[in-house]
Amino acid sequence: DAGVTQSPTHLIKTRGQHVTLRCSPISGHKSVSWYQQVLGQGPQFIFQYYEKEERGRGNFPDRFSARQFPNYSSELNVNALLLGDSALYLCASSRRGDRVEEQYFGPGTRLTVT
Amino acid sequence: ILNVEQSPQSLHVQEGDSTNFTCSFPSSNFYALHWYRWETAKSPEALFVMTLNGDEKKKGRISATLNTKEGYSYLYIKGSQPEDSATYLCAFSSNNNDMRFGAGTRLTVKP
Repeated sequence: DAGVTQSPTHLIKTRGQHVTLRCSPISGHKSVSWYQQVLGQGPQFIFQYYEKEERGRGNFPDRFSARQFPNYSSELNVNALLLGDSALYLCASSRRGDRVEEQYFGPGTRLTVT
Repeated sequence: ILNVEQSPQSLHVQEGDSTNFTCSFPSSNFYALHWYRWETAKSPEALFVMTLNGDEKKKGRISATLNTKEGYSYLYIKGSQPEDSATYLCAFSSNNNDMRFGAGTRLTVKP
């Protein structure tokens, strides 16, 4: 069974641009969560989606948005990119989105903003 | 404690040594505590999810304990092997539906 996949692997953008990151969960998983990991820190929670509905949101500005599609894949969008948005963006999936479930992480998308 | 704190930040041990590290988290609004192992160039891998005070979980040579009243969890590795080299992350989940990660403990096991 394929694991969580993310695309692209790496991305370089300029300040002010917009970016879309994509995530496909493990088959049968209906929940997707997004995290931002800056070097030297732990992952920071951005969003959780379950059954196409937003279930949780972290402390991120409105420039960050996400959605989940009927096939449970998800997109993370970031507008008006800032240098500080440079990070590894991780996607994780789980069956029910219950916080006592194990999450399965993808390999991440490395975003560099210049 | 408002955030999740892990100590030590990094650790170097010899193959065969046993080791442990600490995760401290807020003792209020506790829902669950997760441990992950993150090897370089790979994805974080779930080790344990713990919910009850006094919980102890074990997977091979790795075990974890949980104290929700005082807000800490210990991860133990018995007889460390080079393949145990990784960053070990803990994540605290509260009743507010968030998930807060610590910065991790980077373990290096020397052959």
